[in-house]
Amino acid sequence: AQSVTQLDSQVPVFEEAPVELRCNYSSSVSVYLFWYVQYPNQGLQLLLKYLSGSTLVKGINGFEAEFNKSQTSFHLRKPSVHISDTAEYFCAVSERETSGSRLTFGEGTQLTVNP
Amino acid sequence: DSGVTQTPKHLITATGQRVTLRCSPRSGDLSVYWYQQSLDQGLQFLIQYYNGEERAKGNILERFSAQQFPDLHSELNLSSLELGDSALYFCASSVAASAVTQYFGPGTRLLVL
Repeated sequence: AQSVTQLDSQVPVFEEAPVELRCNYSSSVSVYLFWYVQYPNQGLQLLLKYLSGSTLVKGINGFEAEFNKSQTSFHLRKPSVHISDTAEYFCAVSERETSGSRLTFGEGTQLTVNP
Repeated sequence: DSGVTQTPKHLITATGQRVTLRCSPRSGDLSVYWYQQSLDQGLQFLIQYYNGEERAKGNILERFSAQQFPDLHSELNLSSLELGDSALYFCASSVAASAVTQYFGPGTRLLVL
């Protein structure tokens, strides 16, 4: 079984500041890693995913994440945030070798960008 | 817009009742997943169907059941509803059973009074 821990439940930042949302995972098997974003009253949108290869993954809206196998982490970063980035962000994993591909989510991090 | 549709958007019902949530996957996707998002449990995987067959089961209560029809739409049936079933229910779809990327619908918000 796998688990995901998002280390910060709330992250307030000012507009144009950099931000890092932290995610650690635990699994006995190899996993794929994801970050999803949920804007108010909307569904989940995929920001980026790590499958294999380069450990630095670039996603939509200027976000990127770095996979660190030794620290079992997959932190999300953006060098300069906008008001419109205010949303809840979810880190998720799925097992590589499985007949299904269920996602296991972290508890979420609420990012609030203030002017 | 992910291409996944869910109806209804909102549902208000009473304890003990039964409801049906409907999901239409993206065109071409054969796999459908159901997730529950609640304040106390967070986002949890409930069940997956692939081409009409159950593929994986998560933390789905016995009072809940799902099916996927020949036209690939799926329904999640919730019965003997309790206050704690109030949540946002998401459907997601993917091309294959073990496809990496899932596309989420906008969700159905269920309120049990």
